[in-house]
Amino acid sequence: KAGVTQTPRYLIKTRGQQVTLSCSPISGHRSVSWYQQTPGQGLQFLFEYFSETQRNKGNFPGRFSGRQFSNSRSEMNVSTLELGDSALYLCASGMGHGSYEQYFGPGTRLTVT
Amino acid sequence: AQTVTQSQPEMSVQEAETVTLSCTYDTSESDYYLFWYKQPPSRQMILVIRQEAYKQQNATENRFSVNFQKAAKSFSLKISDSQLGDAAMYFCAYIGAGTYKYIFGTGTRLKVLA
Repeated sequence: KAGVTQTPRYLIKTRGQQVTLSCSPISGHRSVSWYQQTPGQGLQFLFEYFSETQRNKGNFPGRFSGRQFSNSRSEMNVSTLELGDSALYLCASGMGHGSYEQYFGPGTRLTVT
Repeated sequence: AQTVTQSQPEMSVQEAETVTLSCTYDTSESDYYLFWYKQPPSRQMILVIRQEAYKQQNATENRFSVNFQKAAKSFSLKISDSQLGDAAMYFCAYIGAGTYKYIFGTGTRLKVLA
């Protein structure tokens, strides 16, 4: 089975721009979670989707949004980028019901200049 | 609110020796799951082991085992016969059943000395 894939792997954006990151889960997985990883804050939970519905979200401003499509692929969007948004964004997929195991993708390294 | 604490920012172990990484958590939920994840340098996060709170038996996966002390809210990871490939950041994670909100500790960097 192919693992979780994330595109793009690296991204450089300018402050004020917006960005969209994509995540394709492992085949058969219906849950997708997103995390922001920074040296100072560690791994911070952004949100979790299951069958196109957001089931929970972390404490991030409304500039951070996400969605999930019927094929379980997910995107997250960050609008009006700030320098502090520079981070590794990780996506993880799982079955989403009964099992809480997650399998992570390689991440998207976002740099905001 | 639930919290996960890893009090050891960095640990070192000699190759072939045993090392224990500590994790404590705080929760008022009765049903939850705990995990250890490994993140090698510049590589993606890998699930190491999981523990269901309702199970008293400690989980084991090959050289990796946990010491789950529910009353003390402690969930330590023991790595036996350490190998150079075990060098990584190790994260402890918590999730309350039905919440789908994962909480990670700050991580412990494990160095394996040859």
